[in-house]
Amino acid sequence: GAVVSQHPSWVICKSGTSVKIECRSLDFQATTMFWYRQFPKQSLMLMATSNEGSKATYEQGVEKDKFLINHASLTLSTLTVTSAHPEDSSFYICSASGGRYEQYFGPGTRLTVT
Amino acid sequence: GDSVTQMEGPVTLSEEAFLTINCTYTATGYPSLFWYVQYPGEGLQLLLKATKADDKGSNKGFEATYRKETTSFHLEKGSVQVSDSAVYFCALSDLAPGSNYKLTFGKGTLLTVNP
Repeated sequence: GAVVSQHPSWVICKSGTSVKIECRSLDFQATTMFWYRQFPKQSLMLMATSNEGSKATYEQGVEKDKFLINHASLTLSTLTVTSAHPEDSSFYICSASGGRYEQYFGPGTRLTVT
Repeated sequence: GDSVTQMEGPVTLSEEAFLTINCTYTATGYPSLFWYVQYPGEGLQLLLKATKADDKGSNKGFEATYRKETTSFHLEKGSVQVSDSAVYFCALSDLAPGSNYKLTFGKGTLLTVNP
């Protein structure tokens, strides 16, 4: 149980375009979802936390107008990278929690901006 | 703020060798501590956890003890297998009210076990 999926697993987009990444909890209701960014050989950096039906809470230094997060249902959260630039290229990982401390992680999405 | 420091890899071992991956933390309160594992091509999975001082978390032959006096949570396994090859992340959870149990991760340690 406790499976989280992400789609797409890999996406390439041109500079200036927007790209949407989906995160779904497949077999449980996720009251809280988290979005992380991971650079090569570095740790996961928390970008934002979202609770279903509420606005996301962004970590310091994360541009909320650039990284739009929507958590409209208990099984789906989306991250939209707007006006993407090459420096946004990274590995984006989501996780979901059913209200307790344990987070269940998706497999990640690799974004390449050309 | 909270932080986690774990030994840098990569770590390369032969099968049946003893494994230790060091992890120390800095936190303002009394966090819960975790080890996550990421197998190639997969998402992070919780390996083990400890929620208070002197607790020992264990799973799949791995163990880690929450040492408050040394602010450490070192991961150990007595005999590693090729299938243990993965990236291991130490993490702590902020249990403050309203924190949503936010996780702070170490940088990860790549373990490769050779037959």
